[in-house]
Amino acid sequence: NAGVTQTPKFRVLKTGQSMTLLCAQDMNHEYMYWYRQDPGMGLRLIHYSVGEGTTAKGEVPDGYNVSRLKKQNFLLGLESAAPSQTSVYFCASSMGFFVNTIYFGEGSWLTVV
Amino acid sequence: DAKTTQPTSMDCAEGRAANLPCNHSTISGNEYVYWYRQIHSQGPQYIIHGLKNNETNEMASLIITEDRKSSTLILPHATLRDTAVYYCIVRVAGNQGGKLIFGQGTELSVKP
Repeated sequence: NAGVTQTPKFRVLKTGQSMTLLCAQDMNHEYMYWYRQDPGMGLRLIHYSVGEGTTAKGEVPDGYNVSRLKKQNFLLGLESAAPSQTSVYFCASSMGFFVNTIYFGEGSWLTVV
Repeated sequence: DAKTTQPTSMDCAEGRAANLPCNHSTISGNEYVYWYRQIHSQGPQYIIHGLKNNETNEMASLIITEDRKSSTLILPHATLRDTAVYYCIVRVAGNQGGKLIFGQGTELSVKP
């Protein structure tokens, strides 16, 4: 059981480049999330989705776009990467919004130089 | 959204119980208390959650005060592998996707 899988795990970008992080879950979960974590800090919510075709902004959405074209996938895009976006990115998913456990992926390390 | 307050760090001797406190004085009646932990550089891991009754599972126990303004996570026999950052989170209800809002957490160091 793969759970939540993120690709790539590591990436180095130059300022201004674009890239997409892919999150895939095989648990048939409705809800999916993207978080970022900076050194020594807790996770901050970037965007989330409550179902296929839906997306919503979290705490720190600026500079990111997301898409949920298929239920099992949640994509996070950086159109023009900036050094401030150097971070570890975590994807997560859950069955429902209230009581259900949220499952996290193992993280994607992104460095923007 | 209800906020949580946790100590920045704690130490615990291996084999002893680790008691991690959390204050959530603005919690509302339909919000649950969740605990997650994050072992260095890994994705956060679910530990336990509760509404108002004490809860226990194979990993830990959760004690919630009667007024629900605070709670304590108990790891009954801490091991070196329990060294991690522990997050106390109040689950946002309603139409916001149930997203978790993370604070700074408590860095627990289990020492031999």
